[in-house]
Amino acid sequence: AQTVTQSQPEMSVQEAETVTLSCTYDTSESDYYLFWYKQPPSRQMILVIRQEAYKQQNATENRFSVNFQKAAKSFSLKISDSQLGDAAMYFCAYRSGKGNQFYFGTGTSLTVIP
Amino acid sequence: DSGVTQTPKHLITATGQRVTLRCSPRSGDLSVYWYQQSLDQGLQFLIHYYNGEERAKGNILERFSAQQFPDLHSELNLSSLELGDSALYFCASSVGAGELGETQYFGPGTRLLVL
Repeated sequence: AQTVTQSQPEMSVQEAETVTLSCTYDTSESDYYLFWYKQPPSRQMILVIRQEAYKQQNATENRFSVNFQKAAKSFSLKISDSQLGDAAMYFCAYRSGKGNQFYFGTGTSLTVIP
Repeated sequence: DSGVTQTPKHLITATGQRVTLRCSPRSGDLSVYWYQQSLDQGLQFLIHYYNGEERAKGNILERFSAQQFPDLHSELNLSSLELGDSALYFCASSVGAGELGETQYFGPGTRLLVL
């Protein structure tokens, strides 16, 4: 089975600064998608950004961008100009091209310091 | 608000009991996914239904079962409950059959506490 690893249980960033959250995954597949989800204290899971494995260009959504390194099986999330509302648990997720299964990392808790 | 609704929001029950969690997908979505989020195991995919049919199974115990009804709402049945079943159960929906890049929209979750 595929595994998703988030090696940073907790991270903190000063408001307006930039932070990068790490994610690595293990797979033998060539066709898959990667996602970052945000889970604020309300516990709602919110999609932040997604990346197609076949695309070399890194996905960007406003202040959120990814650094996708397919050969290294790395998928980090960069949050620029951090805001207080960015404080949440962030989950990296892998979606298999076979079986439609999702695999989630254990999450990184992000604190934004005013 | 994602448009996915889950009931109840909270559920407290005893070991050995059976409970049913309900999920209504976003209007127009045909797929429903169930996830379990526990403190020690993170977020685990349980099962996926598309238009009433089971499409994929994850780490779902035999004591658990699910179905999707003709009106597309779904129910997750948990039986012979154990303390370790205490968790937050999420439902998510998507518009299609779960194609690779399809976005899943999560509901607010049902928090289950087994005493």
